[in-house]
Amino acid sequence: DAKTTQPPSMDCAEGRAANLPCNHSTISGNEYVYWYRQIHSQGPQYIIHGLKNNETNEMASLIITEDRKSSTLILPHATLRDTAVYYCIVRVHSNYQLIWGAGTKLIIKP
Amino acid sequence: DTAVSQTPKYLVTQMGNDKSIKCEQNLGHDTMYWYKQDSKKFLKIMFSYNNKELIINETVPNRFSPKSPDKAHLNLHINSLELGDSAVYFCASSQEGGAEQYFGPGTRLTVT
Repeated sequence: DAKTTQPPSMDCAEGRAANLPCNHSTISGNEYVYWYRQIHSQGPQYIIHGLKNNETNEMASLIITEDRKSSTLILPHATLRDTAVYYCIVRVHSNYQLIWGAGTKLIIKP
Repeated sequence: DTAVSQTPKYLVTQMGNDKSIKCEQNLGHDTMYWYKQDSKKFLKIMFSYNNKELIINETVPNRFSPKSPDKAHLNLHINSLELGDSAVYFCASSQEGGAEQYFGPGTRLTVT
Protein backbone atom coordinates (compact mmCIF):
# COMPACT_ATOMS: atom_id res chain seq x y z
CA ASP A 1 0.00 0.00 0.00
CA ALA A 2 1.12 3.51 -0.77
CA LYS A 3 2.53 5.68 1.97
CA THR A 4 1.08 9.01 2.99
CA THR A 5 2.61 12.27 4.20
CA GLN A 6 0.75 14.65 6.49
CA PRO A 7 1.82 17.75 8.42
CA PRO A 8 2.40 16.84 12.07
CA SER A 9 0.12 19.57 13.42
CA MET A 10 -2.32 22.29 12.43
CA ASP A 11 -4.43 24.93 14.15
CA CYS A 12 -7.85 26.17 13.11
CA ALA A 13 -10.24 28.70 14.59
CA GLU A 14 -13.56 27.45 15.83
CA GLY A 15 -16.30 27.93 13.25
CA ARG A 16 -13.88 28.11 10.35
CA ALA A 17 -13.23 25.39 7.79
CA ALA A 18 -10.36 23.06 8.64
CA ASN A 19 -8.43 21.85 5.59
CA LEU A 20 -6.15 18.90 6.23
CA PRO A 21 -3.77 17.96 3.41
CA CYS A 22 -2.36 14.55 2.59
CA ASN A 23 0.21 13.55 -0.01
CA HIS A 24 0.10 10.06 -1.49
CA SER A 25 2.22 10.43 -4.60
CA THR A 26 2.81 6.68 -5.02
CA ILE A 27 -0.85 5.74 -4.89
CA SER A 28 -1.92 2.97 -7.26
CA GLY A 29 -5.00 2.96 -9.44
CA ASN A 30 -6.92 0.55 -7.22
CA GLU A 31 -6.04 2.17 -3.89
CA TYR A 32 -8.62 4.13 -1.96
CA VAL A 33 -7.97 7.13 0.31
CA TYR A 34 -9.40 6.81 3.81
CA TRP A 35 -9.58 9.31 6.62
CA TYR A 36 -9.95 8.45 10.28
CA ARG A 37 -9.56 10.54 13.39
CA GLN A 38 -8.68 9.75 16.98
CA ILE A 39 -9.91 11.98 19.72
CA HIS A 40 -7.75 11.86 22.83
CA SER A 41 -8.11 8.61 24.78
CA GLN A 42 -10.71 7.21 22.38
CA GLY A 43 -10.67 4.65 19.62
CA PRO A 44 -10.19 5.84 16.03
CA GLN A 45 -13.31 6.94 14.17
CA TYR A 46 -13.94 6.51 10.46
CA ILE A 47 -14.65 9.79 8.65
CA ILE A 48 -14.77 9.28 4.89
CA HIS A 49 -13.14 7.53 1.96
CA GLY A 50 -12.88 7.91 -1.81
CA LEU A 51 -11.23 6.61 -4.96
CA LYS A 52 -11.31 9.33 -7.61
CA ASN A 53 -14.31 11.55 -7.13
CA ASN A 54 -14.82 14.06 -4.39
CA GLU A 55 -16.95 12.75 -1.56
CA THR A 56 -19.09 14.40 1.10
CA ASN A 57 -20.90 13.07 4.12
CA GLU A 58 -22.33 14.52 7.32
CA MET A 59 -18.89 14.81 8.87
CA ALA A 60 -16.61 16.08 6.14
CA SER A 61 -15.71 16.47 2.49
CA LEU A 62 -12.86 14.73 0.70
CA ILE A 63 -11.24 16.43 -2.26
CA ILE A 64 -8.92 14.24 -4.35
CA THR A 65 -6.74 15.84 -7.01
CA GLU A 66 -7.15 14.70 -10.57
CA ASP A 67 -3.79 12.90 -10.57
CA ARG A 68 -4.79 11.33 -7.20
CA LYS A 69 -1.41 12.18 -5.71
CA SER A 70 -2.88 14.26 -2.94
CA SER A 71 -6.13 14.89 -1.13
CA THR A 72 -7.66 17.31 1.35
CA LEU A 73 -10.08 16.57 4.13
CA ILE A 74 -12.38 19.49 4.85
CA LEU A 75 -14.28 19.97 8.08
CA PRO A 76 -16.61 22.78 7.03
CA HIS A 77 -17.34 24.34 10.42
CA ALA A 78 -14.83 23.13 12.94
CA THR A 79 -15.82 22.86 16.58
CA LEU A 80 -13.73 22.29 19.69
CA ARG A 81 -14.83 18.64 19.60
CA ASP A 82 -13.02 18.23 16.29
CA THR A 83 -9.67 18.51 18.07
CA ALA A 84 -8.05 15.16 17.32
CA VAL A 85 -5.33 13.38 15.37
CA TYR A 86 -6.43 12.89 11.76
CA TYR A 87 -5.05 9.97 9.78
CA CYS A 88 -4.91 9.71 6.02
CA ILE A 89 -4.55 6.10 4.83
CA VAL A 90 -4.44 4.55 1.39
CA ARG A 91 -5.13 0.88 0.81
CA VAL A 92 -6.43 -1.56 -1.72
CA HIS A 93 -10.15 -1.85 -1.11
CA SER A 94 -10.11 -5.61 -0.77
CA ASN A 95 -7.18 -5.57 1.65
CA TYR A 96 -8.32 -5.56 5.24
CA GLN A 97 -5.12 -4.05 6.48
CA LEU A 98 -4.88 -0.36 7.35
CA ILE A 99 -1.35 1.06 7.61
CA TRP A 100 -1.41 3.99 9.98
CA GLY A 101 1.07 6.87 9.89
CA ALA A 102 1.64 9.57 12.47
CA GLY A 103 -1.33 11.67 11.33
CA THR A 104 -1.99 15.39 11.80
CA LYS A 105 -2.79 16.73 15.21
CA LEU A 106 -5.56 19.28 14.60
CA ILE A 107 -6.20 21.77 17.36
CA ILE A 108 -9.35 23.84 17.16
CA LYS A 109 -9.00 27.11 19.03
CA PRO A 110 -11.88 29.19 20.44
CA ASP B 1 -25.91 0.50 22.80
CA THR B 2 -22.16 0.30 22.48
CA ALA B 3 -21.19 -0.93 19.02
CA VAL B 4 -17.76 -2.34 19.91
CA SER B 5 -16.96 -2.94 23.55
CA GLN B 6 -13.79 -4.07 25.26
CA THR B 7 -13.08 -5.29 28.75
CA PRO B 8 -11.25 -4.40 30.82
CA LYS B 9 -10.56 -0.73 30.11
CA TYR B 10 -7.43 -0.80 32.23
CA LEU B 11 -5.21 -3.76 33.02
CA VAL B 12 -2.16 -3.60 35.26
CA THR B 13 -0.18 -6.78 35.68
CA GLN B 14 3.29 -8.10 36.36
CA MET B 15 5.80 -9.53 33.96
CA GLY B 16 5.34 -13.18 33.26
CA ASN B 17 1.60 -13.23 33.86
CA ASP B 18 -1.01 -14.39 31.36
CA LYS B 19 -3.95 -12.11 30.63
CA SER B 20 -6.90 -11.78 28.27
CA ILE B 21 -8.76 -8.86 26.77
CA LYS B 22 -12.31 -9.39 25.57
CA CYS B 23 -14.00 -7.73 22.61
CA GLU B 24 -17.60 -7.86 21.49
CA GLN B 25 -19.39 -6.16 18.61
CA ASN B 26 -23.13 -5.93 18.11
CA LEU B 27 -23.01 -4.59 14.56
CA GLY B 28 -23.36 -7.91 12.79
CA HIS B 29 -19.98 -7.43 11.13
CA ASP B 30 -18.05 -10.26 9.52
CA THR B 31 -14.53 -9.15 10.35
CA MET B 32 -12.87 -8.19 13.62
CA TYR B 33 -9.41 -6.81 14.31
CA TRP B 34 -6.89 -6.22 17.06
CA TYR B 35 -4.57 -3.20 16.95
CA LYS B 36 -1.74 -2.14 19.22
CA GLN B 37 -1.00 1.54 19.85
CA ASP B 38 2.36 2.08 21.47
CA SER B 39 3.68 5.03 23.44
CA LYS B 40 4.54 6.85 20.22
CA LYS B 41 0.88 6.59 19.23
CA PHE B 42 1.42 4.50 16.13
CA LEU B 43 -1.41 2.07 15.45
CA LYS B 44 -0.35 -1.35 14.18
CA ILE B 45 -2.61 -4.13 13.03
CA MET B 46 -2.05 -7.36 14.92
CA PHE B 47 -4.79 -9.72 13.81
CA SER B 48 -8.06 -9.87 11.98
CA TYR B 49 -10.69 -12.61 11.87
CA ASN B 50 -13.26 -13.18 9.18
CA ASN B 51 -15.95 -15.77 9.81
CA LYS B 52 -13.80 -17.39 12.48
CA GLU B 53 -10.77 -17.69 10.28
CA LEU B 54 -7.58 -15.76 10.79
CA ILE B 55 -6.96 -13.80 7.64
CA ILE B 56 -4.17 -11.47 8.72
CA ASN B 57 -1.47 -12.41 11.15
CA GLU B 58 1.17 -9.72 11.44
CA THR B 59 4.61 -10.51 12.81
CA VAL B 60 3.58 -10.45 16.42
CA PRO B 61 5.07 -12.78 19.02
CA ASN B 62 3.30 -16.10 19.36
CA ARG B 63 2.65 -15.16 22.98
CA PHE B 64 -0.31 -13.28 21.52
CA SER B 65 -3.20 -15.39 20.35
CA PRO B 66 -6.62 -14.24 19.13
CA LYS B 67 -9.59 -16.44 19.89
CA SER B 68 -13.01 -16.04 18.34
CA PRO B 69 -15.78 -18.10 19.97
CA ASP B 70 -18.30 -16.64 17.53
CA LYS B 71 -18.66 -13.93 14.93
CA ALA B 72 -19.43 -11.26 17.51
CA HIS B 73 -16.40 -11.87 19.73
CA LEU B 74 -12.65 -11.71 19.26
CA ASN B 75 -10.62 -12.07 22.43
CA LEU B 76 -6.90 -11.48 22.76
CA HIS B 77 -4.85 -13.76 24.97
CA ILE B 78 -1.34 -12.80 25.97
CA ASN B 79 1.04 -15.23 27.63
CA SER B 80 4.20 -14.44 29.57
CA LEU B 81 3.70 -10.70 29.50
CA GLU B 82 6.73 -8.49 28.95
CA LEU B 83 7.40 -4.83 29.69
CA GLY B 84 7.26 -4.06 25.96
CA ASP B 85 3.71 -5.28 25.78
CA SER B 86 2.58 -2.15 27.62
CA ALA B 87 0.35 -0.28 25.19
CA VAL B 88 -3.25 0.49 24.35
CA TYR B 89 -4.98 -2.35 22.52
CA PHE B 90 -7.93 -1.58 20.29
CA CYS B 91 -10.49 -3.96 18.93
CA ALA B 92 -12.35 -3.07 15.73
CA SER B 93 -14.88 -4.59 13.37
CA SER B 94 -16.12 -4.11 9.83
CA GLN B 95 -18.15 -5.78 7.17
CA GLU B 96 -16.05 -8.13 5.07
CA GLY B 97 -13.81 -5.95 2.95
CA GLY B 98 -15.51 -2.90 4.37
CA ALA B 99 -13.81 0.46 4.36
CA GLU B 100 -15.33 1.56 7.60
CA GLN B 101 -13.88 0.00 10.72
CA TYR B 102 -15.57 0.62 14.04
CA PHE B 103 -13.20 0.76 17.00
CA GLY B 104 -13.70 -0.06 20.63
CA PRO B 105 -12.63 2.32 23.41
CA GLY B 106 -9.31 0.57 23.95
CA THR B 107 -7.67 -1.36 26.77
CA ARG B 108 -4.65 0.23 28.40
CA LEU B 109 -2.28 -2.56 29.40
CA THR B 110 0.52 -1.75 31.80
CA VAL B 111 3.10 -4.42 32.56
CA THR B 112 5.25 -3.79 35.63
